Amino acid sequence: QQQVKQSPQSLIVQKGGISIINCAYENTAFDYFPWYQQFPGKGPALLIAIRPDVSEKKEGRFTISFNKSAKQFSLHIMDSQPGDSATYFCAASSGAGSYQLTFGKGTKLSVIP
Amino acid sequence: DAGITQSPRHKVTETGTPVTLRCHQTENHRYMYWYRQDPGHGLRLIHYSYGVKDTDKGEVSDGYSVSRSKTEDFLLTLESATSSQTSVYFCAISGGRFTDTQYFGPGTRLTVL
Repeated sequence: QQQVKQSPQSLIVQKGGISIINCAYENTAFDYFPWYQQFPGKGPALLIAIRPDVSEKKEGRFTISFNKSAKQFSLHIMDSQPGDSATYFCAASSGAGSYQLTFGKGTKLSVIP
Repeated sequence: DAGITQSPRHKVTETGTPVTLRCHQTENHRYMYWYRQDPGHGLRLIHYSYGVKDTDKGEVSDGYSVSRSKTEDFLLTLESATSSQTSVYFCAISGGRFTDTQYFGPGTRLTVL
């Protein structure tokens, strides 16, 4: 199974709150899990990524939590700001071969003042 | 931004006409990818290249062909465009120290009437 399932489809959070987006995967060969942020009319931009040798990675207000046994990973955005309003995609790839990414279907985040 | 350009950025064409989209990179990365993005589907891989003249199919390759005659250029061709190929097309590249990290171009919006 190559699928990556992402939830929720949309999310509304108050300014200053925590935004949480979840992803689950089936393919145990996946060994790289990036998150992308996309603004309207722009290409996806790499936000943060994690590999299975760690359970958490933090960069500024953005944190990835990774649960290898459950085959799940999540993005937490602390102190969410209106400028964080965008669509977020999780993805996964296997180091064997082409490094092609399998994407979740995206979460549209709206941060309201 | 990673050194990726896509041309054209917008195109409107008629059903049955051939269309070629160009991706150009200045990073000298080995891997190049073409994705399409459609509402509710996220990003799906069309074709990818792992070197000059080395290409392979992705998840949604039917109706598309690719060519890579130089490291810096990756062309996506729709031999006979159909309305179902109306989409936003993104090129991505990876290589260098972290081969699995992909960087995306700005996209081409293609409308097939």
